[in-house]
Amino acid sequence: DTGVSQDPRHKITKRGQNVTFRCDPISEHNRLYWYRQTLGQGPEFLTYFQNEAQLEKSRLLSDRFSAERPKGSFSTLEIQRTEQGDSAMYLCASSLTGGRGDTQYFGPGTRLTVL
Amino acid sequence: GDSVTQMEGPVTLSEEAFLTINCTYTATGYPSLFWYVQYPGEGLQLLLKATKADDKGSNKGFEATYRKETTSFHLEKGSVQVSDSAVYFCALIANGGSQGNLIFGKGTKLSVKP
Repeated sequence: DTGVSQDPRHKITKRGQNVTFRCDPISEHNRLYWYRQTLGQGPEFLTYFQNEAQLEKSRLLSDRFSAERPKGSFSTLEIQRTEQGDSAMYLCASSLTGGRGDTQYFGPGTRLTVL
Repeated sequence: GDSVTQMEGPVTLSEEAFLTINCTYTATGYPSLFWYVQYPGEGLQLLLKATKADDKGSNKGFEATYRKETTSFHLEKGSVQVSDSAVYFCALIANGGSQGNLIFGKGTKLSVKP
């Protein structure tokens, strides 16, 4: 199965520490999205890439968050100086072209707990 | 701004009961509409979609029709099974949005009892 994978699946950290998550999209997909989901809510858009270019960032993405997608393959999402409010499930999704009817395939997510 | 509102859960049904989960949206133009499902311990999966008015999306016995006049995309299934127990999310991609990100509702948890 060559679906979207995310690593790690769970991360527990102390407030103030930096964390980095990785997403490996489906290999031929050009679009890659990051979302955040808190308990009882639907996922909320954070940012997206078209190949290696980061084209849009949500207002939810503070300056402590940075994302990269070198060479248009895997992507990383880093959170610096974590806060308890950053505790959430971080989801990655990829799609072939990014058209409005295109299916986004989601990874299993990384659950972050900030103590 | 664009948004999705879906009925709050949890919804508890007996096996073979009829299911409806209501979803309405606010968006300019003609968004694409989706239902995603999250089974316990698994990631989000696309259940069905519709990209223009009056289209019907269907999969695994579930159906939803894109109703422009009522801005709705209600999910239905004639006879639910225990294996349908999951959280269901209604979502849209805005027509004018070049980024193509999904905008989700809050989700509706469905529990089906044998």
